[in-house]
Amino acid sequence: DQQVKQNSPSLSVQEGRISILNCDYTNSMFDYFLWYKKYPAEGPTFLISISSIKDKNEDGRFTVFLNKSAKHLSLHIVPSQPGDSAVYFCAASGGGGSQGNLIFGKGTKLSVKP
Amino acid sequence: EAGVAQSPRYKIIEKRQSVAFWCNPISGHATLYWYQQILGQGPKLLIQFQNNGVVDDSQLPKDRFSAERLKGVDSTLKIQPAKLEDSAVYLCASSLPLEATDTQYFGPGTRLTVL
Repeated sequence: DQQVKQNSPSLSVQEGRISILNCDYTNSMFDYFLWYKKYPAEGPTFLISISSIKDKNEDGRFTVFLNKSAKHLSLHIVPSQPGDSAVYFCAASGGGGSQGNLIFGKGTKLSVKP
Repeated sequence: EAGVAQSPRYKIIEKRQSVAFWCNPISGHATLYWYQQILGQGPKLLIQFQNNGVVDDSQLPKDRFSAERLKGVDSTLKIQPAKLEDSAVYLCASSLPLEATDTQYFGPGTRLTVL
């Protein structure tokens, strides 16, 4: 039973355009959400996070939006750059498990074409 | 600042053999995690330590997996005996004192192939 779902395995975007990566969750107890980025042969790298008390968090080119009623969050990358090509994982915590227990989605592979 | 170190980076073994992975967290990080990432899936938490005590090992297959964190710093994860379905990348992560909002920093992982 997947509590965090990333339904798009891949996404291709032109350089300079917006990339939108989506994530849905089922556990209403989640109170903290994160996005991690992963390059091949490397571990995931923290990108941006959002608390459930907020609906938006912005950091440079990256913005995360949270819609609690829809149990949906999205990551916007504007403008997209070729170096953004990686696998992006959505993760959530606070769902009744131990603090720090991150529940990850399966990931979305983003390809940004020059 | 040095990141999370893991070794080996790659390991190939036959089923029923034993294997051990090592992790050195970022200096000063009290919390250490071991995750298993099967191909095509997201990482799944196996065990979480706070200093040298276990916080959560509910998803660790304890009949074959074991982990320890002596002296609250380095950690080892062992599989004995390995099964084909244990083929995965094993990721170690660390963070500052136990808070859900503390960022977890991941190492490069150990890719295990069980034949």
